[in-house]
Amino acid sequence: KAGVTQTPRYLIKTRGQQVTLSCSPISGHRSVSWYQQTPGQGLQFLFEYFSETQRNKGNFPGRFSGRQFSNSRSEMNVSTLELGDSALYLCASSETGRASGANVLTFGAGSRLTVL
Amino acid sequence: AQSVTQLGSHVSVSEGALVLLRCNYSSSVPPYLFWYVQYPNQGLQLLLKYTSAATLVKGINGFEAEFKKSETSFHLTKPSAHMSDAAEYFCAVSRFSGGYNKLIFGAGTRLAVHP
Repeated sequence: KAGVTQTPRYLIKTRGQQVTLSCSPISGHRSVSWYQQTPGQGLQFLFEYFSETQRNKGNFPGRFSGRQFSNSRSEMNVSTLELGDSALYLCASSETGRASGANVLTFGAGSRLTVL
Repeated sequence: AQSVTQLGSHVSVSEGALVLLRCNYSSSVPPYLFWYVQYPNQGLQLLLKYTSAATLVKGINGFEAEFKKSETSFHLTKPSAHMSDAAEYFCAVSRFSGGYNKLIFGAGTRLAVHP
């Protein structure tokens, strides 16, 4: 079974631009979550989608948005990029949509964004 | 609210020595706890999880962790370190509120293994 695939792996943008990151979950996984990882703030939850619906959102400004398609693939978008948006963006998928703390998240390799 | 504290941002051990990475949690309800490992330029890989079935949890690559409710701890151990264990390790608690897949991570512990 293929793992969680994130594209692109690396990208460089300049301040003010926007960026779209893509995530393909494990086949059959319907829940997709996004996390931001930075040296200063660590791993922070961005949002989670299930069946094309955003179920929860972390404490990030409205410049950060996402969506999920009917095939469970997900994209996240960051508009008007700032230097502080430089980070590793991790996508994770989960098999069930059933609400349970025991759900295991499987992570992709991440998309490393550098904002100049 | 659930939270996780990892004691020691850097741990260094010799090859063959015991590995002990500390994690304390704060939770008002029985928690679901996880340990993930991150190798350079990679995502997070699940090492093990605690879901109340057994207090001693065995994971991959020879790691195990013991859930101690009285100490609110979930420390990760490995009897004998290998060079390939050098990585960053994250303890996480699953937030169980309204039901969704949100993990709250500790700050991470970078493990160095010396020959």
